[in-house]
Amino acid sequence: QSVLTQPPSASGTPGQRVTISCSGSLSNVETNDVFWYQQFPGTAPKLLIYRNNERPSGVPDRFSGSKSGTSAFLAISGLRSEDEADYYCASWDDSPSGFVFGTGTTLIVL
Amino acid sequence: EMQLVESGGDLVQPGGSLRLSCAASGFPFNKYAMSWVRQAPGQGPEWVSSLAATGGGAFYADSVRGRFTISRDNSRNTLYLQINSLRAEDTAVYYCAKAHYNLGIVDAFDVWGQGTMVTVSS
Repeated sequence: QSVLTQPPSASGTPGQRVTISCSGSLSNVETNDVFWYQQFPGTAPKLLIYRNNERPSGVPDRFSGSKSGTSAFLAISGLRSEDEADYYCASWDDSPSGFVFGTGTTLIVL
Repeated sequence: EMQLVESGGDLVQPGGSLRLSCAASGFPFNKYAMSWVRQAPGQGPEWVSSLAATGGGAFYADSVRGRFTISRDNSRNTLYLQINSLRAEDTAVYYCAKAHYNLGIVDAFDVWGQGTMVTVSS
């Protein structure tokens, strides 16, 4: 299975807006929905975004998702210290059939 | 409250076998596709396998196909992962996860268990 490519790290100061990219291909990101997960050390990933830009109940509207062609993006506005975590994108890949995860981005709040 | 609780992880020798279990509660288990996702120490999540709500239609990652078998018992609200011919690179925390909507396998994972550790070492 291929993986989706993310920048290893991203950073910002409190209150800033940060965007994390996720690069895929025709068989995954361009064709299928993209999901975003947030993970803190020692805990399971938590769903942040589904269907490219939808937020589950309880996820603040500071988090937003978008997609364009073979790339997807997670934007976090009004950055807060508690947003410091690892972020992973994911999607279904049609060839071969299966889910693929991104390489992960560690967000640092300065 | 929707909950998933994994069990069965252990220290095993290369070539050994294990069966992982995932007990579900708080939602109609028989309506949702379920998946296993693993995470090796210091690495990102890696999808392992998914199974449709009815038990038919299973998908596997290339890295585990032929060695791992996913199954479910809807009468017991439990998901399983039989893992055989274990290799060092299978060492990871194994999570079970629930599909967000009852529409099929291709969906976000909206509920995760706490994970169970599988260590493959001699």
